[in-house]
Amino acid sequence: AQSVTQLGSHVSVSEGALVLLRCNYSSSVPPYLFWYVQYPNQGLQLLLKYTSAATLVKGINGFEAEFKKSETSFHLTKPSAHMSDAAEYFCAVSPNTGTASKLTFGTGTRLQVTL
Amino acid sequence: NAGVTQTPKFRVLKTGQSMTLLCAQDMNHEYMYWYRQDPGMGLRLIHYSVGEGTTAKGEVPDGYNVSRLKKQNFLLGLESAAPSQTSVYFCASSSHTDTQYFGPGTRLTVL
Repeated sequence: AQSVTQLGSHVSVSEGALVLLRCNYSSSVPPYLFWYVQYPNQGLQLLLKYTSAATLVKGINGFEAEFKKSETSFHLTKPSAHMSDAAEYFCAVSPNTGTASKLTFGTGTRLQVTL
Repeated sequence: NAGVTQTPKFRVLKTGQSMTLLCAQDMNHEYMYWYRQDPGMGLRLIHYSVGEGTTAKGEVPDGYNVSRLKKQNFLLGLESAAPSQTSVYFCASSSHTDTQYFGPGTRLTVL
């Protein structure tokens, strides 16, 4: 069984401030972990993914996430927020089986960026 | 290369009506998925397919049926729509590498 918990359904930061979106996972087998972003009225777009290689994963648009097994976390960060980062962010987990597997999503965190 | 496309983009149904949502992908992916997205609940898997002619149930399959007659298409059917099926529906596809690519979504309202 696997699950994802995203702490904070809404996060507000000022433009230029650090973005930190939290994700904790539970998985009975080694996981693959993903962050997706959803802009208003659009589908989900992959930001980055962890597939058991480097624990620090760099994604698009300046985002990165660090896999911490001891903390069962995969938090998403960006050093400096931009207005265009305002969107909803979803963390997801799938079991590391080597084949495409069902994703389990968190409930999402809506990021607001203010001037 | 259009990626994943969904038809229609919006639809309003009356309770008891039926409809089919079409998902098409041009990436030659083996795997396809249907999700629903509801406020505060993230995305939940309805049905999925690991290849042409195969389908399987996801987390919330009740009230839905699917078919994968062609590799590039994955259809989601509602035989008798209910207000509880008001949602945004997303289709996704992937190869064996676990990265799923999503379509733009279909917003369905059942009155």
